Amino acid sequence: DAGVTQSPTHLIKTRGQQVTLRCSPKSGHDTVCWYQQALGQGPQFIFQYYEEEERQRGNFPDRFSGHQFPNYSSELNVNALLLGDSALYLCASSFRTSGRGGGETQYFGPGTRLLVL
Amino acid sequence: DQQVKQNSPSLSVQEGRISILNCDYTNSMFDYFLWYKKYPAEGPTFLISISSIKDKNEDGRFTVFLNKSAKHLSLHIVPSQPGDSAVYFCAARAGANNLFFGTGTRLTVIP
Repeated sequence: DAGVTQSPTHLIKTRGQQVTLRCSPKSGHDTVCWYQQALGQGPQFIFQYYEEEERQRGNFPDRFSGHQFPNYSSELNVNALLLGDSALYLCASSFRTSGRGGGETQYFGPGTRLLVL
Repeated sequence: DQQVKQNSPSLSVQEGRISILNCDYTNSMFDYFLWYKKYPAEGPTFLISISSIKDKNEDGRFTVFLNKSAKHLSLHIVPSQPGDSAVYFCAARAGANNLFFGTGTRLTVIP
């Protein structure tokens, strides 16, 4: 049973560039959440996707956007990168049918470490 | 605004002894609490959870205690093993909403 997978594992970008991170949920899961974990901090919720729509959003600017595909995989896009966007980006998946946010236990992928120079 | 706080950034315990990790929260609407364990280069792994209708949940060596009046929860690991060495995150949610995480406590179990 494949768990949550993320790609790439590491990425280096420069300020102003754009980046796309990818996530495949655990088999049987239909909901994906994205988190940003800065050094020494806990994960911070970015947004959640269910049924190909953004259902909830944390306190992140519009430069952060996402997408969910029919196969439940998801992308996180960050535009106009800033130095402060350097962090570990975590994807978490869960299964729910209610259409509301994050009730079930979330399972995390290994993350993508983004460095902005 | 840090709604979930883990005030001890690190903890060292001898193998075989009890490890107690603490977590405080400020949002009285939180009704479900989880502990995750994180090894380097891996994502957080779900460990144990507790609903606000309970005050204790046990799973093998791991027990979580919830004190709603104090807005405090703790994770007890007995007996501690070297493989338990990791960063432990406390998380909480209100209803069917997203998770709020603490900043983590690094547990080191000394053989």
